Amino acid sequence: QVQLVQSGAEVKKPGASVKVSCKTSGYTFTTYGISWVRQAPGQGLEWMGWISTYNGNTNYAQKLQGRVTMTTDTSTRTVYMELRSLRLDDTAMYYCARDRAGNWLDPWGQGTLVNVSS
Amino acid sequence: NFMLTQPHSVSESPGKTVTISCTRSSGSIARYFVQWYQQRPGSAPTTVIYEDSQRPSGVPDRFSGSIDSSSNSASLTISGLKTEDEADYYCQTYDSSYVVFGGGTKLTV
Repeated sequence: QVQLVQSGAEVKKPGASVKVSCKTSGYTFTTYGISWVRQAPGQGLEWMGWISTYNGNTNYAQKLQGRVTMTTDTSTRTVYMELRSLRLDDTAMYYCARDRAGNWLDPWGQGTLVNVSS
Repeated sequence: NFMLTQPHSVSESPGKTVTISCTRSSGSIARYFVQWYQQRPGSAPTTVIYEDSQRPSGVPDRFSGSIDSSSNSASLTISGLKTEDEADYYCQTYDSSYVVFGGGTKLTV
């Protein structure tokens, strides 16, 4: 079955960087892109961006341009999301999700909690 | 850019029917497909409706989705409510290379 398994929780200081991984299985990796979505505590879902696993093309949310980088490793079927210059309000659960036709995000990874604290 | 507006919360009794709306602020709701996700506390979102009105396998037919161009909105209807339907529900669509989520609706059963 299709699975997306994310790396474990992280605790970071303001100004630091975090890199979250999303390892996929159960389907042809390069057929679908991957979107990243985050959710601050008690808040709604916020789309962060998308990466093509076919050619590495990316599309980032305007709000995060310049601080986020998404990359893909076809050999390990893994997608990475790096967020730099972390701020306290970057504290959130970060999810990866397979981006299907019609921009249907399914399935989702289990989530990675990133806690930014001084 | 546009916004998707959902009611903050809805409440209904078991066995009843509830409809959650999702209104697009600008641009046509029919231009791109709308998805609906269910999120239970402590869990990742899962799809209950994709491509406006399609149900993934495993989602009961109590869940249905529709689009109304006259009100520029999408709707998720859940009939025969069960206590297990209590969750947050998010609509989602796309335009100009951006994915957009509604603010979410907390359903209390």
